Amino acid sequence: EVQLLASGGGLVQPGGSLRLSCAASGFTFSNYAMSWVRQAPGKGLEWVSTLTGSGANTYYADSVKGRFTISRDNSKSTLYLQMNSLRAEDTAVYYCASTHFPGSFFEYWGQGTLVTVSS
Amino acid sequence: QSALTQPASVSGSPGQSMTISCTGTSSDVGGYNYVSWYQQYPGKAPKLMIYDVTKRPSGVSNRFSGSKSGNTASLTISGLQAEDEAVYYCGSYRGSSTFVVFGGGTKLTVL
Repeated sequence: EVQLLASGGGLVQPGGSLRLSCAASGFTFSNYAMSWVRQAPGKGLEWVSTLTGSGANTYYADSVKGRFTISRDNSKSTLYLQMNSLRAEDTAVYYCASTHFPGSFFEYWGQGTLVTVSS
Repeated sequence: QSALTQPASVSGSPGQSMTISCTGTSSDVGGYNYVSWYQQYPGKAPKLMIYDVTKRPSGVSNRFSGSKSGNTASLTISGLQAEDEAVYYCGSYRGSSTFVVFGGGTKLTVL
C-alpha cells in the first residue's frame, strides 16, 4: 500500500523558516517525480514545486521561487521542502504527491501538514 | 483568481448525470492532452479521478469520465450517488516553467 506521510508543519513568524518532510513507502520512491501542492484555508489547490526522481530537475511556482527549495533523499524515501522568508500568504496545508510525467498529474497524496505564518 | 475556470457549485439528484466544466486557454487545457481531475472531501487529501483527459486510475468507478473540446475540459459523473458529494478540481499542464495550474474547484451537492 502506498503511503505518504507529511510532517514538519507548524506556526512560524513572518520571515521565518520551516522544513517539511514527506516519508514515502509502498512504491519505488526513486522512480517517481514528487511534488508539493498547497491549499490555503478555504481555498483551492496551488502547485508549489516538483522534483524529478533522480533529483536532477526542479520546478517552482513563481510565488515561491527563490524562497523555497525542494529536495529528496532516495536512500530514505523522503521528500523535503525547505521554506525560507515565509509570508502570511504561505499559510496553507502542504500536501506531498507522487507525480507523473509527461502528464503532470498527481497520483498519490499525503495527508497534508499545516503551515501557519503569523506573528 | 485561479488559472482555470470552474463553476463554483453544481447540484443534482441521485441517479442523474452531472458535468463539471473546466475552461483554460491554448497554453494549458487546449494545448496539451494533460488534464486531470481530483475529488476532495472536507479535511481530506485530494484523490485522482481522471488523468490525461480521459483515463481512469485503477479503482475509480466507471461512472466518472473525462473529455475535452478546445480549451474546455469536462468531468461527467453518471448515476449520481450521495458519496459523490465533494469538491472537484481540474488541473492542467502548462509547460515546463509554470508546470501545473488548477481550477478553483466545484462543489457538487447531491440533493
